[in-house]
Amino acid sequence: DVKVTQSSRYLVKRTGEKVFLECVQDMDHENMFWYRQDPGLGLRLIYFSYDVKMKEKGDIPEGYSVSREKKERFSLILESASTNQTSMYLCASSSGSKSSYNEQFFGPGTRLTVL
Amino acid sequence: DQQVKQNSPSLSVQEGRISILNCDYTNSMFDYFLWYKKYPAEGPTFLISISSIKDKNEDGRFTVFLNKSAKHLSLHIVPSQPGDSAVYFCAASDGGGADGLTFGKGTHLIIQP
Repeated sequence: DVKVTQSSRYLVKRTGEKVFLECVQDMDHENMFWYRQDPGLGLRLIYFSYDVKMKEKGDIPEGYSVSREKKERFSLILESASTNQTSMYLCASSSGSKSSYNEQFFGPGTRLTVL
Repeated sequence: DQQVKQNSPSLSVQEGRISILNCDYTNSMFDYFLWYKKYPAEGPTFLISISSIKDKNEDGRFTVFLNKSAKHLSLHIVPSQPGDSAVYFCAASDGGGADGLTFGKGTHLIIQP
């Protein structure tokens, strides 16, 4: 059964802290993604990766960085958390190359609150 | 600029009737469209997809229709069931499986008993 897991369901951090959100998939998928979901805004793509060590900016990369050292793991890093980064963060993965179409499988999400 | 639009934030439908959720897009490069369903405190789950070479795709109670000339797609759920109450997101891709998806803002479907 397809599985994407995220390290925490709920997280509370203080402004200025460095925050790591971890995502692991067990499907041997090539592609991994980080989105944030905010009320009235839907899901917005932050970063994605189509291979180990590779990363691409999404629509809203400012204030974030990512790391993909292993195929199964994709980390989202908030270098200095700010209150406007309070959000639900969703990790997803998919198989296939650019020329194939496959749905993305999502993790359960991490609700991050920055105080 | 919003490239995928779901203009109805919420929709209420009686159990057993048809639910129709609509989605419009502006980017003519989009060639793959998906619908996701999301319950509170859970990640979205994939429901159904359609590529631009088709105008209809059916899976059980769910059917997606694509009108490329109008840049419009719709999700039909027949018959609607209480478990269908959730937020539905329309998503689109122009780059195949390796790129991220562009999502609409979602429509909250409420199935009334």
